[in-house]
Amino acid sequence: NAGVTQTPKFRVLKTGQSMTLLCAQDMNHEYMYWYRQDPGMGLRLIHYSVGEGTTAKGEVPDGYNVSRLKKQNFLLGLESAAPSQTSVYFCASSPTRRSSYEQYFGPGTRLTVT
Amino acid sequence: KQEVTQIPAALSVPEGENLVLNCSFTDSAIYNLQWFRQDPGKGLTSLLLIQSSQREQTSGRLNASLDKSSGRSTLYIAASQPGDSATYLCAVRLGTGFQKLVFGTGTRLLVSP
Repeated sequence: NAGVTQTPKFRVLKTGQSMTLLCAQDMNHEYMYWYRQDPGMGLRLIHYSVGEGTTAKGEVPDGYNVSRLKKQNFLLGLESAAPSQTSVYFCASSPTRRSSYEQYFGPGTRLTVT
Repeated sequence: KQEVTQIPAALSVPEGENLVLNCSFTDSAIYNLQWFRQDPGKGLTSLLLIQSSQREQTSGRLNASLDKSSGRSTLYIAASQPGDSATYLCAVRLGTGFQKLVFGTGTRLLVSP
């Protein structure tokens, strides 16, 4: 199993450009999450999904959109990038109750917006 | 609102020492607590998960304890090695169904040879 993979690993954008981050998991997990990690602030939840075709807002959803058309994929979109979105983005997935919802993380995408 | 604090923010020890990392949370009504390791420029790796009904979990040289009533968890690392150098994060889950993890900001550990 590859676990949770993220594409791309690094990206530099100019203000106003758009991009999509791709997350894929091969563990048949129901739940998927997008976090951002900023120095001194810990990980904060952007959006999440509890199953194929569902999405919901987390703590810091503004400026981001998500889609989960297939169970194994969770896409994070930035329509008009801003310097405040410079961060490291992590995707995670978890099974439901039988495994206590243990979360598995991808390697991250380092995004810089200039 | 649940808040998770990890003290100290950084710790430096010589190889071979036993050490304890601390995690405290403000609301004791948690479902479980998870400890993660993060290497520089990498993702998070789950180390141990403790259910709210458990007191401790062990994996190799790692032992995590949970005292829900006092809002504290500790991660004990025995006989530390340079390869243990990383940032250690704790996170609490608030309930069943979909519930987000609330993360601490981590303790950066350096084990010198």
